[in-house]
Amino acid sequence: QVQLVQSGAEVKKPGASVRVSCETSGYTFISYGISWVRQAPGQGLEWMGWISGSNGNTDYSQKLQGRITLATDTFTGTAFMELRGLTSDDTAVYYCARDGWAVASTLFWEYWGQGTLITVS
Amino acid sequence: DTVMTQSPDSLAVSLGERATINCKSSQSVLYTSNNKNYLAWYQQKPGQPPKLLIYWASTRQSGVPDRFSGSGSGTDFTLTITSLQAEDVAVYYCQQYFTTPRTFGQGTKLEIK
Repeated sequence: QVQLVQSGAEVKKPGASVRVSCETSGYTFISYGISWVRQAPGQGLEWMGWISGSNGNTDYSQKLQGRITLATDTFTGTAFMELRGLTSDDTAVYYCARDGWAVASTLFWEYWGQGTLITVS
Repeated sequence: DTVMTQSPDSLAVSLGERATINCKSSQSVLYTSNNKNYLAWYQQKPGQPPKLLIYWASTRQSGVPDRFSGSGSGTDFTLTITSLQAEDVAVYYCQQYFTTPRTFGQGTKLEIK
């Protein structure tokens, strides 16, 4: 079965960086992409960016452009999200979700990770 | 960006009754070439990731009870839950995937009256 397992919760100081991992299994990693979505406490959902599992192409939210980097390790089927210059506004649960392999095939999200709470304080 | 606006923000419905949640997009999410509406609905319970309920505006995801249905086209969409069950208490989100960035509605909190 398809599974996405994320790394654990972290507490970071303002100005620091954080890297969250998303280890996938149960499907062919390079046939899909990964999107990252975050949710501030008690708030709604915000798409952050997408990366192709096949060629590493990325598409970032303009709001986060310059602070976010997505990467993959195709050998382990793991995706990574790095966010720099953290502020209290970045306190949120961060989710990875399986997506299309190309920008044109990015649609809705059926499979999600369990979420990773990042607290900036 | 395409702005998704849901109404109401919260809703209390009696068990066994119908719940209706609306979602309006700031621009059409209908792709006329394939006549598909690029609109999905999710259910989120506390401490859990969102769960896909409906995609292409009206296609129910495998395993989702048939009391959940989606309708609408263009800019106006509706999620209907017939015969509300206790396990349906959650926050519901609509999401458009017609334009990038993909955007969500602000959520509708559904409770039992």
